[in-house]
Amino acid sequence: QKEVEQNSGPLSVPEGAIASLNCTYSDRGSQSFFWYRQYSGKSPELIMFIYSNGDKEDGRFTAQLNKASQYVSLLIRDSQPSDSATYLCAARGPSNQGGKLIFGQGTELSVKP
Amino acid sequence: GAGVSQSPSNKVTEKGKDVELRCDPISGHTALYWYRQSLGQGLEFLIYFQGNSAPDKSGLPSDRFSAERTGGSVSTLTIQRTQQEDSAVYLCASSLDYSSTDTQYFGPGTRLTVL
Repeated sequence: QKEVEQNSGPLSVPEGAIASLNCTYSDRGSQSFFWYRQYSGKSPELIMFIYSNGDKEDGRFTAQLNKASQYVSLLIRDSQPSDSATYLCAARGPSNQGGKLIFGQGTELSVKP
Repeated sequence: GAGVSQSPSNKVTEKGKDVELRCDPISGHTALYWYRQSLGQGLEFLIYFQGNSAPDKSGLPSDRFSAERTGGSVSTLTIQRTQQEDSAVYLCASSLDYSSTDTQYFGPGTRLTVL
């Protein structure tokens, strides 16, 4: 079992819709969770991170964390074609383990005009 | 300020040759990480530096891989006797510290092709 799992997609949504990206993790010691966006041929860029249970909003993006269910999600409201990319979920361990990121395989999102 | 930089951006080498990949972290960032991204494998952790020491080398795939960091800044990842399965994009990231909430910022990567 992979430590961080995501549906590879592709997930296709129409422009203006809400895109919902999901991620589960197996290590209960994971302290924080990061969502990165990666355009084809580019390096990952941070969208947001979350480490407390509940929701965290930043503009059109909302991250949700449920530690009991070991589940993380990212909602993108009013999706735009420019949001089309691969979204990587990553779990970060405690600082005494150096805080390396464990990534899921990524979900490819396609926003259709 | 400047982000993480990596060089070269592309490297094509022949099987059996040694290669060196360089990473310049964001100024003031004490933690530095190397990852590898290959088709079908996703993004995998290789090694992490805190200052000049490497407390976690658990992701290095074989003893052909080594890395060092000098002056708490620049890091070099060396792959000896390259194999075709080493072909991948090698990504470097840095963060202010290694706290679990510190953000890791990625460089543009080095695309390595082993012929």
